[in-house]
Amino acid sequence: GAVVSQHPSRVICKSGTSVKIECRSLDFQATTMFWYRQFPKQSLMLMATSNEGSKATYEQGVEKDKFLINHASLTLSTLTVTSAHPEDSSFYICSATLGGVGGSPLHFGNGTRLTVT
Amino acid sequence: GQQVMQIPQYQHVQEGEDFTTYCNSSTTLSNIQWYKQRPGGHPVFLIQLVKSGEVKKQKRLTFQFGEAKKNSSLHITATQTTDVGTYFCAASGAGSYQLTFGKGTKLSVIP
Repeated sequence: GAVVSQHPSRVICKSGTSVKIECRSLDFQATTMFWYRQFPKQSLMLMATSNEGSKATYEQGVEKDKFLINHASLTLSTLTVTSAHPEDSSFYICSATLGGVGGSPLHFGNGTRLTVT
Repeated sequence: GQQVMQIPQYQHVQEGEDFTTYCNSSTTLSNIQWYKQRPGGHPVFLIQLVKSGEVKKQKRLTFQFGEAKKNSSLHITATQTTDVGTYFCAASGAGSYQLTFGKGTKLSVIP
């Protein structure tokens, strides 16, 4: 149980275009999903917390107008990288938890490797 | 926000040797979790520690949570090539579900 599906796994786009990444909880409902960014050989950096039916909470330094998050249902959150630039190239991973406050385990998607040319 | 220091950053061991990675926080933690990320993969949850002084074992892996709930360790006995990957600790403070990840320890096992 607790499977999280992320799509696409890889995407190459041209500078200036937008890319949408989907994160789905397949066998459970996730009121909260998290979006992380991981640079090569580095740790996971939390970008934002996605809340179903409300606005996402962004971490300091993350541009909310550039990284648009929509959590329209209990099983789907999307991250759209708008007007992508080469410096946005990275590994983006979503995760979801079954629990709320108290630190339930995170279940991660397979990640999306974005390359902006 | 919550800060978690993890050391070492890299560890190369001969197959059969033991391996330990440590996480430390300056503040008391609500709980700590450990994840493993294989090369090219995504983090996979290993275990969660909640109680002060807690010790949990999973086969050759031993996880400890300090008495003061400010530090934790993951110890692997007799490493195997399948243990290769990056091990992350992730911690949350009291009343928060938000996890802060350590920088990870990349384990290489030489056959």
